[in-house]
Amino acid sequence: SYELTQPPSVSVSPGQTARITCFGNALPKQYAFWYRQKPGQAPLLLIYKNSHRPSGIPERFSGSTSGTTVTLTINPVQAEDEADYFCQSADSSSLYVVFGGGTKLTVL
Amino acid sequence: QAQLVESGGGVVQAGGSLRLSCAGSKFNFNKFGIHWVRQAPGKGLEWVAVISYDGVHEFYEESVRGRFTISRDMSKNTVSLQMTSLNYDDAGVYYCAKDYIQTTVTTTGLDVWGQGTTVTVS
Repeated sequence: SYELTQPPSVSVSPGQTARITCFGNALPKQYAFWYRQKPGQAPLLLIYKNSHRPSGIPERFSGSTSGTTVTLTINPVQAEDEADYFCQSADSSSLYVVFGGGTKLTVL
Repeated sequence: QAQLVESGGGVVQAGGSLRLSCAGSKFNFNKFGIHWVRQAPGKGLEWVAVISYDGVHEFYEESVRGRFTISRDMSKNTVSLQMTSLNYDDAGVYYCAKDYIQTTVTTTGLDVWGQGTTVTVS
């Protein structure tokens, strides 16, 4: 089955740049979406179609793509950004949704 | 702003059944596919199933295929997930979520999520 691979954890200091990657073989042909989830809360859409921000999401969140890897960048990181981040895409048939395993962002 | 509200979670014995519901409001519910996504305690997100905007097409994650059934009531703006033969791996928070693209069977991503309903298997 198709998989998306994320690093389990990323740590950065406030004011620095955090980059969270997501690897998947179908990503050159499928859009990626990014979600943030804080404890006890539902996931929140941060980025859609690789690089687009929904209204209300701060400009310091951005998305990019390069071949089989998509990247979520947070710059500058704030203490409130400490959370779990998930990438998501579809398989090659565009019928099944796939999530990455999630990355825990720690703000030092 | 589009809204989804789940209900129906609870405690069920292993081998039992449970029916979850997802009610949508403040958007054209019948133009969008609706997904169920679950999260076991302390784990990541796992996609479970989707039903197309017209209710014709259903797709399931492999571990639930044959045990879970997704359906929608076009007149009530609701989607249900009937779960049978529940096991301990099915426990967790179940979210319904709206597909980003309207009136298509294919999917890209999920833009609106409910707050979730908790399923406990004893």
